[in-house]
Amino acid sequence: GAVVSQHPSWVICKSGTSVKIECRSLDFQATTMFWYRQFPKQSLMLMATSNEGSKATYEQGVEKDKFLINHASLTLSTLTVTSAHPEDSSFYICSAREQLAKNIQYFGAGTRLSVL
Amino acid sequence: DAKTTQPNSMESNEEEPVHLPCNHSTISGTDYIHWYRQLPSQGPEYVIHGLTSNVNNRMASLAIAEDRKSSTLILHRATLRDAAVYYCILSGGSSNTGKLIFGQGTTLQVKP
Repeated sequence: GAVVSQHPSWVICKSGTSVKIECRSLDFQATTMFWYRQFPKQSLMLMATSNEGSKATYEQGVEKDKFLINHASLTLSTLTVTSAHPEDSSFYICSAREQLAKNIQYFGAGTRLSVL
Repeated sequence: DAKTTQPNSMESNEEEPVHLPCNHSTISGTDYIHWYRQLPSQGPEYVIHGLTSNVNNRMASLAIAEDRKSSTLILHRATLRDAAVYYCILSGGSSNTGKLIFGQGTTLQVKP
């Protein structure tokens, strides 16, 4: 299957700093990417839909000024957690939807963020 | 988004078949039935999806009820590596946003 690379896999930062997470589709083009977060022992929660060349669509309750999403090319979307606080500590996961196989999403391995 | 109902957990013995059920009584005519699984500390992995007919691939089989209100994911021979949380998700539909809304899924334990 198609490969989605997510970087970094693990990051620790101080409270108040910003962290950028990258999501790349390695062998296919993705007009649409999705960002999720997952707390321990819970399911994935969709945060936003990232569309190449346009603004992201955020789910209800997700602060768009805090979680900045940029989808500048067909293979790269980034999520920036601005002014991170300990409650932002979570497992962030991206996925990409292949243009030709639109019903299938391919997921990255996730980024574990710990805010001190 | 249409909801699905799955058992919280199931157990299986290694090398035996596993049938994971999913109820989706409010499914619309254009909703696809998707199955993903998530191993510990990893991102989810696509397993299979279908619309009306049963589907087979190298990982699993998907049996869809004639009225489409339920489906069953079948792992033909469970291995220890199949221990994961399995999610049954409806997507596609009339809005076709492609969003996947994850429920709690079924945690599958495989005993050696």
